[in-house]
Amino acid sequence: EVQLVESGGGLVQPGGSLRLSCAASEFTFSTYWMTWVRQAPGKGLEWVANIKQDGSEKYYMGSVKGRFTISRDNAKNSLYLQMNGLRVEDSAVYYCAGGDYMHVWGKGTTVTVSS
Amino acid sequence: QSVLTQPPSASGTPGQTVTISCSGSSSNIGSQSVTWYQQVPGTAPKLLMFPNTQRPSGVPDRFSGSKSGTSASLAISGLQSEDEADYYCATWDTSLSGWVFGGGTKLTVL
Repeated sequence: EVQLVESGGGLVQPGGSLRLSCAASEFTFSTYWMTWVRQAPGKGLEWVANIKQDGSEKYYMGSVKGRFTISRDNAKNSLYLQMNGLRVEDSAVYYCAGGDYMHVWGKGTTVTVSS
Repeated sequence: QSVLTQPPSASGTPGQTVTISCSGSSSNIGSQSVTWYQQVPGTAPKLLMFPNTQRPSGVPDRFSGSKSGTSASLAISGLQSEDEADYYCATWDTSLSGWVFGGGTKLTVL
């Protein structure tokens, strides 16, 4: 069964850092764009960043540029999101999505930024 | 405020047809294909339609998509109780160099 499993979420103070991971299984990971999407409590979906198959292209939403870094390791079928300088407004469920049209989604990992 | 505009809510009775609209601009819907996602509260989103009109395997043909100019729409015919969910449109925006989502439409089956 195709599966994406996120991990690394948790409670962190403002200004802190977290590294999210997404492990893919039964999924031809290296052939697809990969994306992070977040959803704040009670809010809609918000695209965060995506990365090309070989990592040569990366795109970020405006408010996370310079703070978040997306990366991937095709040998490990894994996607990452390094989040630095976290703000309260970054609190959300973070989903990993795979495919050019985001056709596969993980169940998400919760990030809470609070003092 | 979302770059793509969707009505916040929609409703219908079982068997009816409901249409959800998604309005954008020339830098997104006007020049890019649109995808639609269904999200049952408490669960991850699920791809429903891409690009514009194609359904992934397993999505009933009661769901159909269309696009014209800078707008797109999702139609659900033969409405069923299990269709109650939040629906999001999304596309790539060439000006922002990023994906943009609509604010979501909460569908209630009365």
